[in-house]
Parts: sequence; structure tokens; C-alpha cells
Amino acid sequence: NAGVTQTPKFQVLKTGQSMTLQCAQDMNHNSMYWYRQDPGMGLRLIYYSASEGTTDKGEVPNGYNVSRLNKREFSLRLESAAPSQTSVYFCAGSWEGATDTQYFGPGTRLTVL
Amino acid sequence: GQQLNQSPQSMFIQEGEDVSMNCTSSSIFNTWLWYKQDPGEGPVLLIALYKAGELTSNGRLTAQFGITRKDSFLNISASIPSDVGIYFCAGRPAGGGSNYKLTFGKGTLLTVNP
Repeated sequence: NAGVTQTPKFQVLKTGQSMTLQCAQDMNHNSMYWYRQDPGMGLRLIYYSASEGTTDKGEVPNGYNVSRLNKREFSLRLESAAPSQTSVYFCAGSWEGATDTQYFGPGTRLTVL
Repeated sequence: GQQLNQSPQSMFIQEGEDVSMNCTSSSIFNTWLWYKQDPGEGPVLLIALYKAGELTSNGRLTAQFGITRKDSFLNISASIPSDVGIYFCAGRPAGGGSNYKLTFGKGTLLTVNP
């Protein structure tokens, strides 16, 4: 099993460009999450999907959109990237009834110039 | 939103020493979790605590859910070089709200000198 995978690992964008961060899991997770991590900060929840077909805002959703494509895949889209979105982005998943135990992917390191 | 105060921010210790770190909140939590993040990787869950006063071990790691439900502690005994990384506390606040939202502390950076 690959676990939680993310693509790409690294990305550099110019201000105003758009891109989609991909996340997939083969752990049969019901719920999936997108976090961002900034230096000296904890993880902050951007969006989550409690189950296939549903998405909800987290703590810092502005400037992002998400799609729960199917049970396995949860993508994060930046429509018009800004330097403030320079961060490391982590996707995570959890099983039904065990939302405390989140399994994280390796992260995508995004720089917006 | 909820905030967790994690301390210390960083620690430099010698191999073999014991380590203690803690996490506090101004409000009550129902769940306390401790994650470790290795450089360039995502966080990995170490220990989960669900009851006030609970003491749980995972190898050389021991964590406790504070009696007041407003704090948690993580101890690492006999540290080794592979303990290096960032340790995050996380919790689920009491009083309702989404079951899917965890609050994370800012992390403790641990460096172990061989």
C-alpha cells in the first residue's frame, strides 16, 4: 500500500497562476483533509471532506477550492496564487469513527513568487 | 479559534537524556494527540489520549492527559539520534464543533547530539 500520496513534491508558481495539488489514498479513508504548514506555525486546516461527496471549510479556506473526486482522491486548487500561499501543504486521511487518527502524506512544497 | 501553547519551542539535548514537553490550552479538550514530524515528511501519530488522567506509553514515549483537561505532557526517555524532529500536540476541543477539526500546537523542535 502506498498510503497517502501527494503530487507534486515541489512547485514554483508566479503570482496569479493557478494549479491543483493532488492527493490520493489507498487506505479506504472516509475523511480527507488539506492542511498548510508555515514556519513556526502548527498545521492549519484549509478544507476537509468528511465523506465522499461532501466538503467543508476549515480554519483558512480563503483563496482555495477543493474537490473530492471520489473516495480515494481529494484535490486542492489555487485559482490565482499569491505569495501568502507559499507554504508546505499536507493532505491527510482518516477512517470513519476515528477522525483523531489522521494519516498524513509527505507534503507539497509550494513557492509563489 | 482555539489555541494550543506548546513548550519549549526547541530543545538541544545529549543522547541518553530524558525529554519533557507540554501543551496547554485556556479551554477544555476532549482528546489530546501527539504527532512527530521528521524533516521533509508529514506528521506521524505517536500517542492518542481520550480520558482525563490517562497515561499512555509507546516504547520510550509516555504521554499524559492532564486532570484539568487543559493540558498534556509528552516524555521521551533515553533519547537517541533518531528522536530528532518536530513534535506537535493536537487536540479536539470540548463543547461541540466539528469532529473533523483538530487544533495543532506550533511544535517543539528536538535536536539530539550523539
